[in-house]
Amino acid sequence: AQKITQTQPGMFVQEKEAVTLDCTYDTSDPSYGLFWYKQPSSGEMIFLIYQGSYDQQNATEGRYSLNFQKARKSANLVISASQLGDSAMYFCAMRVIGWGSGGSNYKLTFGKGTLLTVNP
Amino acid sequence: DTEVTQTPKHLVMGMTNKKSLKCEQHMGHRAMYWYKQKAKKPPELMFVYSYEKLSINESVPSRFSPECPNSSLLNLHLHALQPEDSALYLCASGGSTDTQYFGPGTRLTVL
Repeated sequence: AQKITQTQPGMFVQEKEAVTLDCTYDTSDPSYGLFWYKQPSSGEMIFLIYQGSYDQQNATEGRYSLNFQKARKSANLVISASQLGDSAMYFCAMRVIGWGSGGSNYKLTFGKGTLLTVNP
Repeated sequence: DTEVTQTPKHLVMGMTNKKSLKCEQHMGHRAMYWYKQKAKKPPELMFVYSYEKLSINESVPSRFSPECPNSSLLNLHLHALQPEDSALYLCASGGSTDTQYFGPGTRLTVL
């Protein structure tokens, strides 16, 4: 069964420092995708970064980078130079195939999330 | 443009009311999704539409009725809800890269 595990319920970081949010996954599919989303208290889920299972290089998007270690089945998010606006819940998610009466489609399975607080 | 819009932002309804949530995307995405999210929990998938047809129903009670009038619009019709249905309802759309882009959500309270 596909599963995402985020073991850090909460993390604290000082403004301008880097922080790593952990994510491990379990799947038997050779082809999969891993995503990170940010959810501020307002509720919107904001897409941050994507890593495909066949991608040779770690994904980067501005201050966000994904430390992808395939053999260890980990996909940790690194946020550099933290800002106060980075305070939010962060979800790791994996793309899986879902089946229904209308056929198959991709769907996301989420971890439980990590609440990041950036201190001034 | 990666915008998905949802209306209303907040909704309060009684258990005998009928209401609808609306979602719109103009990114040309083929798939649209409804999620339910309780406080301090990850989103839970409810429905998936692909090319305007219902693809996946995650065993959602029939008091929730989805509708996809066209490729840009997704509705969720609500009838005879229970207080435990109070939650944040998120809509998302996804394209060929399978990245899902979410709307701002509707905070629903059932009295």
